[in-house]
Amino acid sequence: KAGVTQTPRYLIKTRGQQVTLSCSPISGHRSVSWYQQTPGQGLQFLFEYFSETQRNKGNFPGRFSGRQFSNSRSEMNVSTLELGDSALYLCASSPRGDTEAFFGQGTRLTVV
Amino acid sequence: DAKTTQPPSMDCAEGRAANLPCNHSTISGNEYVYWYRQIHSQGPQYIIHGLKNNETNEMASLIITEDRKSSTLILPHATLRDTAVYYCIVRVASGNFNKFYFGSGTKLNVKP
Repeated sequence: KAGVTQTPRYLIKTRGQQVTLSCSPISGHRSVSWYQQTPGQGLQFLFEYFSETQRNKGNFPGRFSGRQFSNSRSEMNVSTLELGDSALYLCASSPRGDTEAFFGQGTRLTVV
Repeated sequence: DAKTTQPPSMDCAEGRAANLPCNHSTISGNEYVYWYRQIHSQGPQYIIHGLKNNETNEMASLIITEDRKSSTLILPHATLRDTAVYYCIVRVASGNFNKFYFGSGTKLNVKP
């Protein structure tokens, strides 16, 4: 069974640009959540999607958004990038969101 | 979700058992104990979880005290590849929408 796949693995963007990250969950998993990991703040929850609906949201500004497609694949978008958005962005999938979750390898975003 | 307390770091000799403690004195009856680990710059890896009974799988054993206020993750024969940050997380069984609170974790150093 294939794991969670995140693309791209590495990305370099300039301040002010926008970026879209992609996550393909494990087959059959309908819940996809996103996390940001930085050295200073650790792993922080961004939001979660289930059946194309956002069910839960962390404490991040509106520049961070996401969506989920009918095949459960998910994307997250960050607009007007800031230097502080440089981080490892992780996606996790779960069958329904109430049991263990499985993480992808992450996308390393560097904003210059 | 109840808070957890873990030592910031621990050392273990290769081939010996690694016992990682976690304190969760405010845990509620409907909260599970989860363990994840993160090897440098990779996505967190699910290890094991339990409610009140001890659990064992191919990776580790989870021992939960009778009062459920603390638990221990046991890696029976630690290898160098087990060097990672180990996170103990407590969360309710439902309604949490694939959201995990990751604290600072325990950095386990397995030494030859």
